[in-house]
Parts: sequence; structure tokens; C-alpha cells
Amino acid sequence: GAVVSQHPSWVICKSGTSVKIECRSLDFQATTMFWYRQFPKQSLMLMATSNEGSKATYEQGVEKDKFLINHASLTLSTLTVTSAHPEDSSFYICSASPPPQGHTEAFFGQGTRLTVV
Amino acid sequence: EDKVVQSPLSLVVHEGDTVTLNCSYEVTNFRSLLWYKQEKKAPTFLFMLTSSGIEKKSGRLSSILDKKELFSILNITATQTGDSAVYLCAAQGGSEKLVFGKGTKLTVNP
Repeated sequence: GAVVSQHPSWVICKSGTSVKIECRSLDFQATTMFWYRQFPKQSLMLMATSNEGSKATYEQGVEKDKFLINHASLTLSTLTVTSAHPEDSSFYICSASPPPQGHTEAFFGQGTRLTVV
Repeated sequence: EDKVVQSPLSLVVHEGDTVTLNCSYEVTNFRSLLWYKQEKKAPTFLFMLTSSGIEKKSGRLSSILDKKELFSILNITATQTGDSAVYLCAAQGGSEKLVFGKGTKLTVNP
């Protein structure tokens, strides 16, 4: 199947600092990627849709100034958690689908475990 | 509002048992239903279903979709301890986004 790579797999940062998470589609181009957040023992919650060459679309309740998304190329989307606080600690996962998008299964990155201390 | 409901939320069985996991959905402009298995990290893809009544099978796992009744089931026969995981169901609508259920946590005891 298609490969989506996410980096880093885990990160610990201090409160007030920013953390960047990368999501790459390794063997296909993705005009759209998705970012999810997962709390312990809960399901995946969609945070935003990352659109190549345009602004991301955020779900209701997700602060766009706090979770900055950049999709500068067809194979890379980044999520930056700005001014991180302990409550931002969570598991962040990205996904992308090979073309034709919307008609193929979504593949997930390995996820990033963020701990803010 | 789009939603996906899975049941049961938790299930404990013995090796060799057969299990059926349920997923019902309400999604605008439904396009497909997907099943994923999540162990410790990111979900891994199992099945994608778009047509009613056509069973998809992979080894001991199988799944089917009923678009009239808006539900899907995932069957696992002759369960093994390695099947222990959270099984996620997701529905895709017209916007390409996936709406996930809360998952079914399956524990298979030896």
C-alpha cells in the first residue's frame, strides 16, 4: 500500500515553545492531507484539512492560530503547535489518500506523541 | 451532523471465538466506509466498502456493507491474541473527510 511518513514519532517540549510535525506522502502526490488528534482511549478527532497551495480548513473548535498548517508541496504538510501547553499533549496523526483522492483508502502516518512539560 | 456509532465499545473473548463488530453511520453524500485496526500507534487499513452486499475478505477477517440500513459489520473468525486491538470504523462523505466512530476495543485472551 501507499506510504505516509510522519516525523517525529515522539517529542517532549517545554511550555511556551513551538513544535513542528511533518507529514510526507512518500510514493504519491496528495493535494489534500488530514490532521487528527487522539486522546488516550478515544477515537481520532479531525482537526483540519490541509490543502496544497491554499489555506487549511479547520474543524469547529480548533484554533487555527495555535495549530498552524502549511502544505507547501504535493508531498509535504506540516503542523506546528505554537506556544504549546500541557493540555496540548496528545497523539497527532496525519493521513493522505493516493489519487484519485476521495476514492481510495486513507493511509496514516506513524503518529507523533507530543508531551508538553 | 455526520456521525458514526460503533458497538460494542469493548469486547473480551477467548482465542478461537468468532466476533462481530458493528458500525452504523449517518453521513451526507456517503461515499465509502472504511475499517482500520489500531494497536499501539497509527491505524492500519483493513477494508474499504462502497457497494452494498459485497463481502470483502482477508484471511480470517471479512466485512460487508448495507447502504439501505446504513451499517457495516466486521467479522473475525478463529480469533488470535494478535487480533487484540481497537477496531475503528470511518465513513467518508462528499467532502472527502473521514468521520470516525469511537472504536471497539477487542481483547482476545489465550
